[in-house]
Amino acid sequence: DAKTTQPNSMESNEEEPVHLPCNHSTISGTDYIHWYRQLPSQGPEYVIHGLTSNVNNRMASLAIAEDRKSSTLILHRATLRDAAVYYCILRDPQGAQKLVFGQGTRLTINP
Amino acid sequence: NAGVTQTPKFRVLKTGQSMTLLCAQDMNHEYMYWYRQDPGMGLRLIHYSVGEGTTAKGEVPDGYNVSRLKKQNFLLGLESAAPSQTSVYFCASSLSDYSDSPLHFGNGTRLTVT
Repeated sequence: DAKTTQPNSMESNEEEPVHLPCNHSTISGTDYIHWYRQLPSQGPEYVIHGLTSNVNNRMASLAIAEDRKSSTLILHRATLRDAAVYYCILRDPQGAQKLVFGQGTRLTINP
Repeated sequence: NAGVTQTPKFRVLKTGQSMTLLCAQDMNHEYMYWYRQDPGMGLRLIHYSVGEGTTAKGEVPDGYNVSRLKKQNFLLGLESAAPSQTSVYFCASSLSDYSDSPLHFGNGTRLTVT
């Protein structure tokens, strides 16, 4: 199964942009890149996903490298409510039963 | 919108007791999943269902059984609880199995087995 690598933790300040990196050097051509986040005492929450092109939604932006071996989740203006564990996951056509949730990146936001 | 609802939120069991965790979704999703989350282990898939009346094993199925009698409900059973099953359990659902179909999660059930 294709695997992702993320930093264990990151720290940023409130109202500043945050760039969360993810490496996925073994990604296949049909894998979608999904990002989820998990706030304390809650279930994971879907953030964004993409295949090749950069994507934007109301929560975040996803920048995907041209060779697709890495991607970056961008929070444009972090708030204290964005403090969470962020998971970068590859979803392949074989189904969600193949999803691998690793350790993720624990994001701390300083006021 | 309720989304994915899990009951109960907390439970304490003694070793050998049984219980059932209920997951309900109101999004008409075909696919449903049960995960467990332990410190330092990430989320691990226990069982999943690709539609009403179907179930399949995930990564860590031993000690658990599941049933999907109705499309909107997915039950996780522990027949004889063990301390190793102390964990936080999350249910999730998705509209389809396509690679671009996101998962929607409940807020979990925290289970302690003494």
